[in-house]
Amino acid sequence: NAGVMQNPRHLVRRRGQEARLRCSPMKGHSHVYWYRQLPEEGLKFMVYLQKENIIDESGMPKERFSAEFPKEGPSILRIQQVVRGDSAAYFCASSQETYEQYFGPGTRLTVT
Amino acid sequence: QQQVKQSPQSLIVQKGGISIINCAYENTAFDYFPWYQQFPGKGPALLIAIRPDVSEKKEGRFTISFNKSAKQFSLHIMDSQPGDSATYFCAASSMNRDDKIIFGKGTRLHILP
Repeated sequence: NAGVMQNPRHLVRRRGQEARLRCSPMKGHSHVYWYRQLPEEGLKFMVYLQKENIIDESGMPKERFSAEFPKEGPSILRIQQVVRGDSAAYFCASSQETYEQYFGPGTRLTVT
Repeated sequence: QQQVKQSPQSLIVQKGGISIINCAYENTAFDYFPWYQQFPGKGPALLIAIRPDVSEKKEGRFTISFNKSAKQFSLHIMDSQPGDSATYFCAASSMNRDDKIIFGKGTRLHILP
């Protein structure tokens, strides 16, 4: 059973460009969570999605950030007009009908 | 009230020693307390978790101790090994799966060979 998959693993964007991060949950999991991790810091919750629904986006910046989890395909975290402060590791986690979350390997975003 | 406070920030332990990481929470609605282990360049991996109806849970060399009245819980790593060197995160949530997990800031553990 493959784990949570994220791609790309590393992403370099210039300021002002768009970043699209993808997450494929574990097989059978229908709940997806996105977290951001800054160097030397913990994980900060961003958004929680179920198929075609955003359940909790309380940790998502109001501007430039959006997330979706379509009926078919991976969950996408989209950052428009990236700035240097968006440089971080972005982790996706998934869960089934329980509260246990399993994390992917992360996407490391560098904004130059 | 949503915070989870973790200490120490970093920890150095001799091989074979006991590593102890402490966490405290405020929200009494929390009823699920997982610990995650993260190696450099990797995602966090669920290590062990406890619910407040027990005071201790042991899996191999890893033990969680839980003090409900003090709203504190800790991770003990017995016979610490160099391969245990990683960052450890405590976390708290409720078993309502619509509730998000709140993470501590992490403890960087280094085991001396």
